Amino acid sequence: EADIYQTPRYLVIGTGKKITLECSQTMGHDKMYWYQQDPGMELHLIHYSYGVNSTEKGDLSSESTVSRIRTEHFPLTLESARPSHTSQYLCASSVGTGYSGANVLTFGAGSRLTVL
Amino acid sequence: QKEVEQDPGPLSVPEGAIVSLNCTYSNSAFQYFMWYRQYSRKGPELLMYTYSSGNKEDGRFTAQVDKSSKYISLFIRDSQPSDSATYLCAGARGGSYIPTFGRGTSLIVHP
Repeated sequence: EADIYQTPRYLVIGTGKKITLECSQTMGHDKMYWYQQDPGMELHLIHYSYGVNSTEKGDLSSESTVSRIRTEHFPLTLESARPSHTSQYLCASSVGTGYSGANVLTFGAGSRLTVL
Repeated sequence: QKEVEQDPGPLSVPEGAIVSLNCTYSNSAFQYFMWYRQYSRKGPELLMYTYSSGNKEDGRFTAQVDKSSKYISLFIRDSQPSDSATYLCAGARGGSYIPTFGRGTSLIVHP
């Protein structure tokens, strides 16, 4: 059973709309991540957080923003959606033990966004 | 140059076959290597996690890392139709431990 939840699972929206993709985890993990995945392509890290009030941009430039006000919640927002934002967005979390190197990510099922 | 390269496939094999999935990577700083499995319309889930070079076995799955050639392999013995999925390899460096993924290889095991 998934301990990390993403909503909505599917969203079709018009250009210029503001959208927020929700991600919540019940495992008490400190680290959370957003990856973008296009069909047949690599997962690209777009944002990550090491804890409350900590957010960093990932390797792939993104026009989205994130916030981390609560440990369990890591929403992603697009202020003005464009067709180029059409993609699957995957949220993940990890304990990030560091010393053992076992930074195992638990992924949500993803939010598939289509911008018309 | 992409940090992690994978052939996207698809790779189609009969049930019971031994499957070999492979990746190459370019980042010499990678010390941790992972294989994730992703079923259709699901998020990836961790299959194997290894540190540095060597082999690791877990049931029907064996992960192999050769840091000298920057080569990562996953072997699946006695493959089953339920193994049909996309297999993503990833590497991570110490410090951040955040995985960098390949594009995944689609595996189809037919009865």
